[in-house]
This record gives sequence, structure tokens and C-alpha cells, in this order.
Amino acid sequence: GQQLNQSPQSMFIQEGEDVSMNCTSSSIFNTWLWYKQDPGEGPVLLIALYKAGELTSNGRLTAQFGITRKDSFLNISASIPSDVGIYFCAGLKERGSTLGRLYFGRGTQLTVWP
Amino acid sequence: DTGVSQDPRHKITKRGQNVTFRCDPISEHNRLYWYRQTLGQGPEFLTYFQNEAQLEKSRLLSDRFSAERPKGSFSTLEIQRTEQGDSAMYLCASSSLGFSGNTIYFGEGSWLTVV
Repeated sequence: GQQLNQSPQSMFIQEGEDVSMNCTSSSIFNTWLWYKQDPGEGPVLLIALYKAGELTSNGRLTAQFGITRKDSFLNISASIPSDVGIYFCAGLKERGSTLGRLYFGRGTQLTVWP
Repeated sequence: DTGVSQDPRHKITKRGQNVTFRCDPISEHNRLYWYRQTLGQGPEFLTYFQNEAQLEKSRLLSDRFSAERPKGSFSTLEIQRTEQGDSAMYLCASSSLGFSGNTIYFGEGSWLTVV
């Protein structure tokens, strides 16, 4: 299926640093969702974005829905060891034949050194 | 626990056997989704229900796969004549279209290993 282009693929940072990752697509999406997944577990929703240009925060996390509706980014400020995991972006079109389908990026593996 | 619940969490089966996974969505969520995830990849869409109606199926969902949501509440995903390539984590998710938009919550997943 269609994949979103998520970058970077992996990040190795020191505790306290800020992190930025992004997702781009050639298609327009009406909803962008960011998830975190720990090994052996299902994705946990971090932030949901519904409108172009929307900027939403959840604690140390901030995400934005791109104006063109083809991209989104996620920032994590002052990283801590428990931020370790795989972060996925996901887009939802909610139109036409792909009404219920979430399209996922390949994920960003985040490692935080103490 | 009011989240999406999946059962079993882990299943090991011999090639050729049938397996069934169950998903209980968040209460009052009318939309239910099944995804499959293999190591190093993001989840891939399999199928989607709105209430009891199966509205969309991926081409990944071969004839050996069938999903049901008979009363618009829980759902089952059955894989017949399992193959080694079916080994993956099967994820269920649910949502309800709210004022803001569609927010999709995932369960903890069901790991399938076909030996």
C-alpha cells in the first residue's frame, strides 16, 4: 500500500536534546496522526491533527499539519530515556474508495542516551 | 481498561491450521479496523468496518482471510490454512467520528507465528 515518506529513519540523541521528525506525501490527507510504538506493543496515539496549519501540543510533544496537507512534523523537546521507541506518522484521507484507510510511514527509531 | 482489547496476544500455530483473533473495540466506537505489521514496517491496512458493515478490504486480504463484526461490536479475524508468510502482528483499532475528526486508537496486537 501507499507509504508516507518519514524521516529520519533513526536518531541517536543525548538526554535533554530536542528531536524533530517529519512525514511527507504526494497525496493530500485530511487527518494526520502521530503514534509511538514500543517493542511487542501496539501503536499508542500521541497527537491528532485535523486542519491544515494546525499546531498541537501534548506535553513535550508538538506536531503540525502542513498547509499543503501533504506533510506533518513532530517535535519532542528535552528528550528523556522513556522517549525511546519507534514513532510513526499516519495519514487518513476520509474520502472516496480509501475512506477508512490509515497510511503509515516506515517509522523513526529514536534512541536516547542518558 | 477501556481501550481496544485483543485476544490472544500471542499464537503459535502449525502451517495449514486455522487461527482466529478477536477484537473488542472501545465502547461506542462504530468504526473498527484490522491492520497487519511485520518487523521493521509500519502497519498495513487489511479491512475496515462501520458498525457491522465491512466497507473496505485491502488486496492484502486474500481468500484465506475473513473478518466479521456481526453485531457491530466485537470483531473476529480468521486466517485459514495458515502459511509462514502470515507470521506478523495483527492489530485492531477503533474510532468514532467526532466533532474534530476521526481519531483512531490501536489495541496491543496479536502476534502470530506460523511454524
